[in-house]
Amino acid sequence: GQNIDQPTEMTATEGAIVQINCTYQTSGFNGLFWYQQHAGEAPTFLSYNVLDGLEEKGRFSSFLSRSKGYSYLLLKELQMKDSASYLCAVRTNTGFQKLVFGTGTRLLVSP
Amino acid sequence: SAVISQKPSRDICQRGTSLTIQCQVDSQVTMMFWYRQQPGQSLTLIATANQGSEATYESGFVIDKFPISRPNLTFSTLTVSNLSPEDSSIYLCSAFDTLEAFFGQGTRLTVV
Repeated sequence: GQNIDQPTEMTATEGAIVQINCTYQTSGFNGLFWYQQHAGEAPTFLSYNVLDGLEEKGRFSSFLSRSKGYSYLLLKELQMKDSASYLCAVRTNTGFQKLVFGTGTRLLVSP
Repeated sequence: SAVISQKPSRDICQRGTSLTIQCQVDSQVTMMFWYRQQPGQSLTLIATANQGSEATYESGFVIDKFPISRPNLTFSTLTVSNLSPEDSSIYLCSAFDTLEAFFGQGTRLTVV
């Protein structure tokens, strides 16, 4: 079975740093994705980790530990426009590949 | 990166009827998927649309309720059949590129 968990909601202040965690237990693993989704819009790709370690892309970084079944998304210098849902997704490779999403985290950035 | 056109963007349907959603990708892709996203929730995978063969459905989703077609490597349809108010949701088409999944803009379905 697939089990991908994230905190439901988080709040943070403009200019601050926030870390959104994701833990997973899946049958097969072929990479972990982070997506951002604003209300009423489609998810947009943020990052992809397939090996352990940190991937940095501007204000956003993503970390993966395969042995612990754990990832986090780090957002620095928060802006109001970062208020959105953040979705962790695991690409499984059992049989054929598919992308399974976590429960999602709603982030509210306040002034 | 792939661009996905999904239509309709929204629809209001009577219970008992069906809605067919179309998804067109601007390049050939091996894998296409259909998701459902209920209000305030994350994405739930309905099925993988396989080109040239029957779709592969996730637990809790069946072909009679969600028939899927994939006639070629750039196009797929999802039909939501025998609509009930519980089917009111957003339906999203997705396609895999080498490293990431792309999404259509979604179809917001309201069943009355």
